[in-house]
Amino acid sequence: SAVISQKPSRDICQRGTSLTIQCQVDSQVTMMFWYRQQPGQSLTLIATANQGSEATYESGFVIDKFPISRPNLTFSTLTVSNMSPEDSSIYLCSVDRQGYGYTFGSGTRLTVV
Amino acid sequence: GQQLNQSPQSMFIQEGEDVSMNCTSSSIFNTWLWYKQEPGEGPVLLIALYKAGELTSNGRLTAQFGITRKDSFLNISASIPSDVGIYFCAGLIPTSGTYKYIFGTGTRLKVLA
Repeated sequence: SAVISQKPSRDICQRGTSLTIQCQVDSQVTMMFWYRQQPGQSLTLIATANQGSEATYESGFVIDKFPISRPNLTFSTLTVSNMSPEDSSIYLCSVDRQGYGYTFGSGTRLTVV
Repeated sequence: GQQLNQSPQSMFIQEGEDVSMNCTSSSIFNTWLWYKQEPGEGPVLLIALYKAGELTSNGRLTAQFGITRKDSFLNISASIPSDVGIYFCAGLIPTSGTYKYIFGTGTRLKVLA
């Protein structure tokens, strides 16, 4: 399957700070997706990131809180800004690659204290 | 908005038993995906379904794309302890010029040896 590397794998952050999560794919992809998985819950799409254009955010998610960068076809970042304990979740990036299907990174487990 | 409901929410079964779970929606989908997620990992794609009525197997796993296109089923035969995890369905939704996947509520499977 497509190799997707996410960094960091986990972090504990103070409230009010920001964390940037990186997602690196082993080949070029048009679309990259960012999801949030709150404890014990399903996956909720945050936004879709296309290279060269602004990310498209889902209802309930805004750019000021979750800015996304997509500088090239193999890389994206998601920043969780001004964090509160409610932001404690697993954040996952995913890509849809021909022949590999819709695959996920191993996720970033964020705890906000 | 669209929702995918999975049932059962959780199940405890004996090793060697067969497992059935399903995913239903009030909306029509063109693609169904089934994933398994283990603790500390991202979801791993098990089976992809692209056509109504399609029946696809992956080892001991078999999934079907419902004729109405509003549901899908996953069966696991002769369960083993490593089948433990959370199983998610996902459906593809076309959006303006692109697409996205939404995820079901999940079925948590525990296998008793």
